[in-house]
Amino acid sequence: AQSVTQPDIHITVSEGASLELRCNYSYGATPYLFWYVQSPGQGLQLLLKYFSGDTLVQGIKGFEAEFTRSQSSFNLRKPSVHWSDAAEYFCAVGAILTGGGNKLTFGTGTQLKVEL
Amino acid sequence: DGGITQSPKYLFRKEGQNVTLSCEQNLNHDAMYWYRQDPGQGLRLIYYSQIVNDFQKGDIAEGYSVSREKKESFPLTVTSAQKNPTAFYLCASRDRVQYFGAGTRLSVL
Repeated sequence: AQSVTQPDIHITVSEGASLELRCNYSYGATPYLFWYVQSPGQGLQLLLKYFSGDTLVQGIKGFEAEFTRSQSSFNLRKPSVHWSDAAEYFCAVGAILTGGGNKLTFGTGTQLKVEL
Repeated sequence: DGGITQSPKYLFRKEGQNVTLSCEQNLNHDAMYWYRQDPGQGLRLIYYSQIVNDFQKGDIAEGYSVSREKKESFPLTVTSAQKNPTAFYLCASRDRVQYFGAGTRLSVL
């Protein structure tokens, strides 16, 4: 069965500093990988996705992520964090279901705090 | 405006009561999903539906039921058999990626 590990429960960075959020996955085939962001009391917004091809993917709000097959990782990065980036970030892996369709398996999330 | 609408935003359940959470989408997606979110546990899949009149149990279906009579609607009923219903519930629909509604927070009175 697939799984996702986000080893950092909480991360605090200063505004303007760089950010890296870690994500490791376990899946037997080529994974579909996603990063979502959630503000308090809200739904999830898609930041970026990896299906195939270039292992460095660009997303919204200046985020990017790099897929590294050898390390089973899909780490999220941003060169300069803004106070509005404070939120919870979820990594997810997509798996094909028996009979078609797919499901997402989520990590437990990383809460980002931005210090001004 | 295309999107996924969940209602109500807040819901309270009394002991022994069934409650129904609404999820409507106008994105013309075939697949729809229900997730439960608890602090520190990420999102867990309750039920999913790939097409009208068909749905499948997810990882934590016990105490929940769903129906899919229309493409745009996928309501979730939290039954009295669900002993710990307090959580944030998220509905999603999918084309190549999953898009989420704003959620319903369910509490027990």
